[in-house]
Amino acid sequence: QVQLVESGGGVVQPGRSLRLSCAASGFTFSSYGMHWVRQAPGKGLEWMAVISNDGGDKYSADSVKGRFTISRDNSKNTLYLQMNSLRAEDTAVYYCAKDLTAGAARYYFDYWGQGTLVTVSS
Amino acid sequence: EIVLTQSPATLSLSPGERATLSCRASQSVSRYLAWYQQKPGQAPRLLIFDASNRATGIPARFSGSGSGTDFTLTISNLEPEDFAVYYCQQRGNWPQITFGPGTKVDIK
Repeated sequence: QVQLVESGGGVVQPGRSLRLSCAASGFTFSSYGMHWVRQAPGKGLEWMAVISNDGGDKYSADSVKGRFTISRDNSKNTLYLQMNSLRAEDTAVYYCAKDLTAGAARYYFDYWGQGTLVTVSS
Repeated sequence: EIVLTQSPATLSLSPGERATLSCRASQSVSRYLAWYQQKPGQAPRLLIFDASNRATGIPARFSGSGSGTDFTLTISNLEPEDFAVYYCQQRGNWPQITFGPGTKVDIK
């Protein structure tokens, strides 16, 4: 069965960096686009970034462009989110999510990890 | 950015009743809209994509309709496990993906 397991969250000071990981199993990782979606405490969902199945195409939300970078290692079935210059408003649970269809991303998310909490605070 | 508005914010119903949730987009997204269910402490679950297609394993009591700017999620016969928050999401303006603020369906 499909499993997505995020790690790397924690408490970090404003302005510092953090790298999240998402270990995937149960499907052919290299065939699917992957996404990061976050949810601030008690708030709604916010899409962060997408990476194509081969890593060649990446897009991110305007709110994090230039600060957050999505990447993947298909040999390790792992997705990453490098977060730099963190701000208090980046505090959220970060989910990795699998795209619905193989090949070109459809931007629908059919499997999600359990999430990892990032708290930005001094 | 396409803004999604969901109404009502909260819907109080009893098991067995019909739930009708609305999602309105600030500009046309064609039929590129999805619905998700989220329960407390859990990740969201994809229910509907492309406005009316049920995702794998989703019961038939969940149905979606609409196109352009107005969309509806209907839960025909509420089961106890359906009380949750529901989000709509558009991909009509990819890669700028947006979600609605959510509708909470709670027990009356």
